[in-house]
Amino acid sequence: QVQLQQWGAGLLKPSETLSLSCTVDGGSFGGYHWRWVRQPPGKGLEWIGEVHHSGTINYNPSLKSRVTISVDTSKSQLSLKLSSVTAADTAVYYCAAAWHYYYGMDVWGPGTTVTVSS
Amino acid sequence: QSALTQPPSVSGSPGQSVTISCTGTRSDVGSYNRVSWYQQSPGTAPRLIIYEVNSRPSGVSDRFSGSKSGNTASLTISGLRAEDEADYYCNSYATTSAWVFGGGTRVTVL
Repeated sequence: QVQLQQWGAGLLKPSETLSLSCTVDGGSFGGYHWRWVRQPPGKGLEWIGEVHHSGTINYNPSLKSRVTISVDTSKSQLSLKLSSVTAADTAVYYCAAAWHYYYGMDVWGPGTTVTVSS
Repeated sequence: QSALTQPPSVSGSPGQSVTISCTGTRSDVGSYNRVSWYQQSPGTAPRLIIYEVNSRPSGVSDRFSGSKSGNTASLTISGLRAEDEADYYCNSYATTSAWVFGGGTRVTVL
């Protein structure tokens, strides 16, 4: 059974950089399209960005100036960096994978809670 | 890009059907049959239940069905059960090579 593992710092101060990573257990990392999604407390889901398995990267226009998504295929690892965080970036951050690009995200990580507080 | 519009909540009695709408624009829902639906129970990650408007992943009950007309996609849950009580989110591909979610709908089983 394919599972995703996530890790990264859970408590940040304003202006710091959020850094999260994600990998897959039991599946082919290179066969998936990878996405990051976040969910502020009590609110809905927000798409942050993605890496197509061809290497193309797309970002949510509202976050594009602060977000960097990358993959390290040698480590089968997906990464997310979000700079200059504020309290508005407090959320559960999910990595998710889609085997077929347009077929939806069929595998999700457990989520990482990130809190931004001074 | 703006979030897709969903009703905040819908409710129904066990055995009834409920339908959740997801309204976008010609830049997203209206232009592509690339609408997915996710079910999320409290404290858990979302789960894919519909993709490409009306297809179900393996293992998803056939009580869940999807459709689309113009700029609005819909999710119908038939034969409502207590276990269906959750939040539901639509998600569409958009012309900006991006993906946009709906605001979410809480389904309550009365």
